[in-house]
Amino acid sequence: DTEVTQTPKHLVMGMTNKKSLKCEQHMGHRAMYWYKQKAKKPPELMFVYSYEKLSINESVPSRFSPECPNSSLLNLHLHALQPEDSALYLCASSQESNLPRGTEAFFGQGTRLTVV
Amino acid sequence: GIQVEQSPPDLILQEGANSTLRCNFSDSVNNLQWFHQNPWGQLINLFYIPSGTKQNGRLSATTVATERYSLLYISSSQTTDSGVYFCAVEANDYKLSFGAGTTVTVRA
Repeated sequence: DTEVTQTPKHLVMGMTNKKSLKCEQHMGHRAMYWYKQKAKKPPELMFVYSYEKLSINESVPSRFSPECPNSSLLNLHLHALQPEDSALYLCASSQESNLPRGTEAFFGQGTRLTVV
Repeated sequence: GIQVEQSPPDLILQEGANSTLRCNFSDSVNNLQWFHQNPWGQLINLFYIPSGTKQNGRLSATTVATERYSLLYISSSQTTDSGVYFCAVEANDYKLSFGAGTTVTVRA
């Protein structure tokens, strides 16, 4: 099973709302990622968790708050977003992020977020 | 950070045609993957290929790590092959960086 599951698939939220995106994998992967993809652009890395600890934050604004409750789950908490934050948010996982060689990453189907 | 360039940016094919997509990268990599993004946004793994050659049905890929490029071959294209093809690489920084993608349109 090489499945990464994201919920919800679609989300519309107001600029004063608080919402959360969820991601789950059961492949035993110890690295999990959040990516943001704008229309007609490639995915851009936001955060990396390795062994449930935040290892990379690509200077993401604090209105995006990641959380890794356990090795299978990754959340992205959203608060006071702007319309320009509307995008496809993709979660990914890979076996480990600290091996000498990289390992294959698998992506979820994404959450399409619209901020109104 | 590492630079990833994909060419061509757009490709229009007649059903049954063959094509080659290219990915150039600016530094040594630990990981190289090819993905197909379908119209619903799902990134589908095609190949994990930091070096060497692999084949999967009508698709094959070759990475020449010493010359810093990878090629994705699509043979006997079908309309279901339409979509955006991304090359993504990871250097020593545990960050998977994507190229801009090649948009493939296969016409019946």
